[in-house]
Amino acid sequence: DGGITQSPKYLFRKEGQNVTLSCEQNLNHDAMYWYRQDPGQGLRLIYYSQIVNDFQKGDIAEGYSVSREKKESFPLTVTSAQKNPTAFYLCASSVGLVADTQYFGPGTRLTVL
Amino acid sequence: AQTVTQSQPEMSVQEAETVTLSCTYDTSESDYYLFWYKQPPSRQMILVIRQEAYKQQNATENRFSVNFQKAAKSFSLKISDSQLGDAAMYFCAYIRAGSYQLTFGKGTKLSVIP
Repeated sequence: DGGITQSPKYLFRKEGQNVTLSCEQNLNHDAMYWYRQDPGQGLRLIYYSQIVNDFQKGDIAEGYSVSREKKESFPLTVTSAQKNPTAFYLCASSVGLVADTQYFGPGTRLTVL
Repeated sequence: AQTVTQSQPEMSVQEAETVTLSCTYDTSESDYYLFWYKQPPSRQMILVIRQEAYKQQNATENRFSVNFQKAAKSFSLKISDSQLGDAAMYFCAYIRAGSYQLTFGKGTKLSVIP
């Protein structure tokens, strides 16, 4: 089955630690995205990547970093510089055409202790 | 900047009845796309329906249909014959043609009463 996987489902981190969230897709999509969701809010874009070895900042990129070394993978690192990292993180992908439909993974819940 | 507004934080509907969720958006663009996504308790976002702004015909997917009013910048979702599995958060989203950035509303929580 084609789809997007995110791991782990739940993640706990101590303050001051960096943590990396995994996102893998086997849909052969060129574009991938990371969103953050807070209670009572819609999704906000952190980073997106149109193609391997290229990525762009979204609205709330501060305190986050990404890499795109393979078409299938788009990991997100939450650094210690992120002031309020506790949130639900969703990864998405699309074929790669502009304004294309984005399909989402199951998400990772990050809690900072 | 584009904004998407969902004015109904919560709604409820009786099973088998029809419900309409509201969405308005603000943009100066003429070419764009609109979406409704469903987020059930599992929290995975599921595409419900997509509408191209250049198409006058309203999109339909089985029991889900939209009322797209471009001049009014309104994009409501109608769910017919509501089922228990329709209970979820519903998000309206906008994307400008030529962009990769989706803008989401804050969502409407739909409850289905048996």
